[in-house]
Amino acid sequence: EAGVTQFPSHSVIEKGQTVTLRCDPISGHDNLYWYRRVMGKEIKFLLHFVKESKQDESGMPNNRFLAERTGGTYSTLKVQPAELEDSGVYFCASSQAAKMSGLGTDTQYFGPGTRLTVL
Amino acid sequence: AQSVTQLDSHVSVSEGTPVLLRCNYSSSYSPSLFWYVQHPNKGLQLLLKYTSAATLVKGINGFEAEFKKSETSFHLTKPSAHMSDAAEYFCVVSEAGNNRKLIWGLGTSLAVNP
Repeated sequence: EAGVTQFPSHSVIEKGQTVTLRCDPISGHDNLYWYRRVMGKEIKFLLHFVKESKQDESGMPNNRFLAERTGGTYSTLKVQPAELEDSGVYFCASSQAAKMSGLGTDTQYFGPGTRLTVL
Repeated sequence: AQSVTQLDSHVSVSEGTPVLLRCNYSSSYSPSLFWYVQHPNKGLQLLLKYTSAATLVKGINGFEAEFKKSETSFHLTKPSAHMSDAAEYFCVVSEAGNNRKLIWGLGTSLAVNP
């Protein structure tokens, strides 16, 4: 079974440009998450999709960030226009459908991340 | 609100000696707790998770962690370090409810000396 994949692995852009990150979750996983780690800081939640719907986007930094998950499969995260503080590693994770019992938390499986550098 | 504190940013041990990576959490609910590991140039890998079953959780590669509610701790241990254990380790708590977003510690970098 293929794991979570992310593309590109690295991206270097100039301030003001646009970048689109892509995440392909594990097949059949309804939940898809985006996280970001800025250098020296902890990994932080950005948003959570359940299928194609945004369940929680409370971690999105501002309206320069746009996430989509058309058709409930892969997801894209677009940054437009990019700023210097957007540099960091962007992780994607996926998990199976949420259990109605609410017991525990589904394991999230992570991709290798996209390292974004804004110059 | 939930939070996680990893008490050491760097830990250095000799090969064959025990590993202890400390983690304290703050949670208003019965938490789910995780340890993830990231080896150099690799993705994040789940080591183990606690979800209100047994308080002593065994994970991969000989690691285990004990949930201690009275101390709000979830320390990660391994009896004997191996060179391949050198990596960054993250203690994580899951936010309660349907949200399921993960709250991360800052990470502990583990160095293993020959």
